[in-house]
Amino acid sequence: AQSVTQLGSHVSVSEGALVLLRCNYSSSVPPYLFWYVQYPNQGLQLLLKYTSAATLVKGINGFEAEFKKSETSFHLTKPSAHMSDAAEYFCAVFITGGGADGLTFGKGTHLIIQP
Amino acid sequence: DTGVSQDPRHKITKRGQNVTFRCDPISEHNRLYWYRQTLGQGPEFLTYFQNEAQLEKSRLLSDRFSAERPKGSFSTLEIQRTEQGDSAMYLCASSLRLAQTDTQYFGPGTRLTVL
Repeated sequence: AQSVTQLGSHVSVSEGALVLLRCNYSSSVPPYLFWYVQYPNQGLQLLLKYTSAATLVKGINGFEAEFKKSETSFHLTKPSAHMSDAAEYFCAVFITGGGADGLTFGKGTHLIIQP
Repeated sequence: DTGVSQDPRHKITKRGQNVTFRCDPISEHNRLYWYRQTLGQGPEFLTYFQNEAQLEKSRLLSDRFSAERPKGSFSTLEIQRTEQGDSAMYLCASSLRLAQTDTQYFGPGTRLTVL
């Protein structure tokens, strides 16, 4: 069965600093990987997705993520944090033919932006 | 605004009561998913429909839970004899299944509080 591990339930960075949110997955077959963002009392918004094309994926709001098969990782980065980036971020994996067509999510990382 | 709507946004009920939530997906989407999100956790898959057919149910979906999607349009999720452990955010997502994968677009969620 597939699983997702997000390292660090809380990450705090200064405004203008690099944002790095870590995600590792477990899957016996090539996965599809997603990052979603959730603002308070709202649903999830897709930031970006990896579907076996380019390993470096660019998303909305200046975020990008790199798929590294050897490390089973899909870390999310942004060069310069903005106050509006403060939110909960979820990494998710989708396995085709795995018998479950729902996304499997990590527990989330709360991103705090210090002024 | 992703176009997925959910009603109500908040529901407070007493233990033992029945509740029903509604989800209206993006109009051309043929897949509809239900997830449950408890505090501090990522969303957990409950069930999904392709058109009007319910294709999969998670083990999390006890016999007190039932979901329908008549005519392949909106969906309802009913919880009978609610328990305090049912308190959570219930998220709906929809997608257009084209190839190996699809992108799920989430609604704002229904927050259920069971007293």
